[in-house]
This record gives sequence, structure tokens and C-alpha cells, in this order.
Amino acid sequence: QKEVEQNSGPLSVPEGAIASLNCTYSDRVSQSFFWYRQYSGKSPELIMSIYSNGDKEDGRFTAQLNKASQYVSLLIRDSQPSDSATYLCAVPVSGGYQKVTFGTGTKLQVIP
Amino acid sequence: DAGVIQSPRHEVTEMGQEVTLRCKPISGHNSLFWYRQTMMRGLELLIYFNNNVPIDDSGMPEDRFSAKMPNASFSTLKIQPSEPRDSAVYFCAVKNNSNQPQHFGDGTRLSIL
Repeated sequence: QKEVEQNSGPLSVPEGAIASLNCTYSDRVSQSFFWYRQYSGKSPELIMSIYSNGDKEDGRFTAQLNKASQYVSLLIRDSQPSDSATYLCAVPVSGGYQKVTFGTGTKLQVIP
Repeated sequence: DAGVIQSPRHEVTEMGQEVTLRCKPISGHNSLFWYRQTMMRGLELLIYFNNNVPIDDSGMPEDRFSAKMPNASFSTLKIQPSEPRDSAVYFCAVKNNSNQPQHFGDGTRLSIL
């Protein structure tokens, strides 16, 4: 099993819909989780951090964490064409000093 | 506070040449990471430093690759000799403690002809 798994997509949603991006991880002791957005030809950009079970909302973005199921998700409400990008899930490696494992990313396409 | 600064932004060179990529981290961020990203392999960690000391270089693909961090303000990734399969985008990223996220530079797009 990969340490961090994401569906590569592409995930296509119509403009205005909710996009749901999922990530599972294998390290049960992980304490922090991050979502990055990467536009084509650009660097990954941090959009959400979550450290506790439950939901964390920031504008149109909501991160959801379930440590028991080892699952973290990102919801994007009222999806816009400008949200079209690849979304990377990142999980620090316990005992890995400062190392972080990135998922392969889910490509999101928002259709106008 | 300026972000992570990488140079050059683009590099095109011929096979066999030496390539040096540079990174200036954010002040106070004591961990520095070098990544390579390709369509086929995604984002790969090559090496990372903590307080200027290399911690894990298991991702460095071959002896042709080397990295240094002589001080807290500067790091280099060198490829000698370069090969066409080294063509990729190389990112430098930094973080300041274990629960904080990494912040990426804009990357260097490397093309080896």
C-alpha cells in the first residue's frame, strides 16, 4: 500500500457544483495533513492545513479529517473554472524527521 | 518576508554539461527539500537538509546528482554530467518545524538536449 493515495482523476465537475477530493494515508500516527493546489506549469501552493478530526472551513474550501479511517478530504463549494488544477495531499512521515509524503495528485476540471 | 527563491527559472543545456540549480530559503526555515517533478513520476523527493545537514539523500537517483547547503541561506543541486532523462522541473521547498507545511519555490524547468 502506498503511504498516501489519491485518485489521479481527472475529476470533472460543472461550474457551481461541489468538488470532492479524497486522500487516504497509511501512517496511523500522522498528526498533520496538508492540501496543495498546483496549476499547470506552477509550483504547489498550500491551500489548507488540518490537524484535528472533523471539518475545517476556509472560504469555499473545507478539509475533513477522519483519523480512525485514515482519510482526509477536500471539498470545494461553488466550483469555479479557476479551481481547475491538480490537488496534492501531503502527510508528514512519523519518525521521518521533517519528511513529507505527497500523493500523486488529483486533477480537477471545472466545466463552465 | 520573501518566499523561496530559485534560480535559474529555466535552463536548457546540452547533454554532458554540468548543471547547477540554486535555492535561497525563507529566513528561519531550517529544513530544506529538493524535489523533482515529471509527468511520469510525479513529485519525487531527492534530498533534504535540516539545519544545513543532509538528513536523507536516498532519493538522489545517481552519483551524477549532488546537493550542498553551505549555510542557512543557500543550497545547490548539481548534476554532472547531465543526461536528457534529467529533464524535469526541480523544486526547492522549506519548512520550519515538524507540524508545519512546506513552502515551495517557483521551480527550475530543466531541459537537457
